[in-house]
Amino acid sequence: SAVISQKPSRDICQRGTSLTIQCQVDSQVTMMFWYRQQPGQSLTLIATANQGSEATYESGFVIDKFPISRPNLTFSTLTVSNMSPEDSSIYLCSVEDQATSRADTQYFGPGTRLTVL
Amino acid sequence: QKEVEQNSGPLSVPEGAIASLNCTYSDRVSQSFFWYRQYSGKSPELIMSIYSNGDKEDGRFTAQLNKASQYVSLLIRDSQPSDSATYLCALDDSWGKFQFGAGTQVVVTP
Repeated sequence: SAVISQKPSRDICQRGTSLTIQCQVDSQVTMMFWYRQQPGQSLTLIATANQGSEATYESGFVIDKFPISRPNLTFSTLTVSNMSPEDSSIYLCSVEDQATSRADTQYFGPGTRLTVL
Repeated sequence: QKEVEQNSGPLSVPEGAIASLNCTYSDRVSQSFFWYRQYSGKSPELIMSIYSNGDKEDGRFTAQLNKASQYVSLLIRDSQPSDSATYLCALDDSWGKFQFGAGTQVVVTP
């Protein structure tokens, strides 16, 4: 499967600031997703990162708070804006790797553990 | 009603025994089902995918799917301490998006 990396792996931030998380894949993929996993919870889809167009956000998530870029088929960024302690979470990117599996199988990056003070 | 339901556990399993995890879902249109393993502090790792009714075996893991009853299960044979993790059930819903269960924590005791 595709090799996925994320930067940073973890960060501690002050409230009111913003953090940009990078997701890099070692091969071209059509679909990239961003998830949030709050402590003790399961995964919640934030948005689908679309190459060359605006991301598609899920209910409860807005572009002003979580702007996403997808400049090409191997890279995406998620920004968590104007952070509050409630944004403390693990942020995960995932991809559908059509080269090695059925199109609907998702593989996850290592995650970014964010703590907001 | 949640889309995907799992017993949160913890499920305590003696080493060498069979761990049985269950998952029920509400979306009858779903065709693709997945089991992920997540160690504490790590990201989810795909274990199995299953698309057809019946059993699918991969090493010590067997996934079972029954679309009529809307459940999918995972059996872990010869459980090892390294199997101690949270197991997430997921499906590809009618909108083409993944829905995850809350996960079942498995603890394998020596």
